[in-house]
Amino acid sequence: AQSVSQHNHHVILSEAASLELGCNYSYGGTVNLFWYVQYPGQHLQLLLKYFSGDPLVKGIKGFEAEFIKSKFSFNLRKPSVQWSDTAEYFCAVRNTGGFKTIFGAGTRLFVKA
Amino acid sequence: ETGVTQTPRHLVMGMTNKKSLKCEQHLGHNAMYWYKQSAKKPLELMFVYSLEERVENNSVPSRFSPECPNSSHLFLHLHTLQPEDSALYLCASSQDWGFKGNEQFFGPGTRLTVL
Repeated sequence: AQSVSQHNHHVILSEAASLELGCNYSYGGTVNLFWYVQYPGQHLQLLLKYFSGDPLVKGIKGFEAEFIKSKFSFNLRKPSVQWSDTAEYFCAVRNTGGFKTIFGAGTRLFVKA
Repeated sequence: ETGVTQTPRHLVMGMTNKKSLKCEQHLGHNAMYWYKQSAKKPLELMFVYSLEERVENNSVPSRFSPECPNSSHLFLHLHTLQPEDSALYLCASSQDWGFKGNEQFFGPGTRLTVL
């Protein structure tokens, strides 16, 4: 069965620190990969996605993620976080041609000003 | 007008009540989803509708009954729920499926409490 594992449940960083959130998935076929973000009091929204082509994907607000197929990973990165990045981040995987998107348990990021 | 709206935003109900959650999308999408978000658990897919036809039922108990009368509206009818059904219920929509890296747009959710 498909699954998504996010390694860190809680992360606390100071402003300007670099961020990397881990995401690994288990599925043998072709996948689409997503990172969603939920800011306090707001809807879940898409941060970035990968479906084909360049495995390094750029998203909004300076975030990027790299798809490493051999490692079944799609880690999220940002070189310098801001207080406004405080949110919960969800990695998600969807097999191409299907409807079912599997979400990870989420990582709560708190950035200290 | 926000893309995906849900009503009510909060709902408290007894175990013998019948209530419905409503979702509406204004994005012209053709697929709609119900998810359950519980504390400390991954988002759980409940149902998927594509072109008003149910295409995914993720082993959800029959006390949850979805309805999709048209591509813009999705309902979740609730009856004889249990306290463990208390959660945030999220609706989402997406355009097409398959090979386009099809992201979902989420509503704000309905916070359900079952007493």
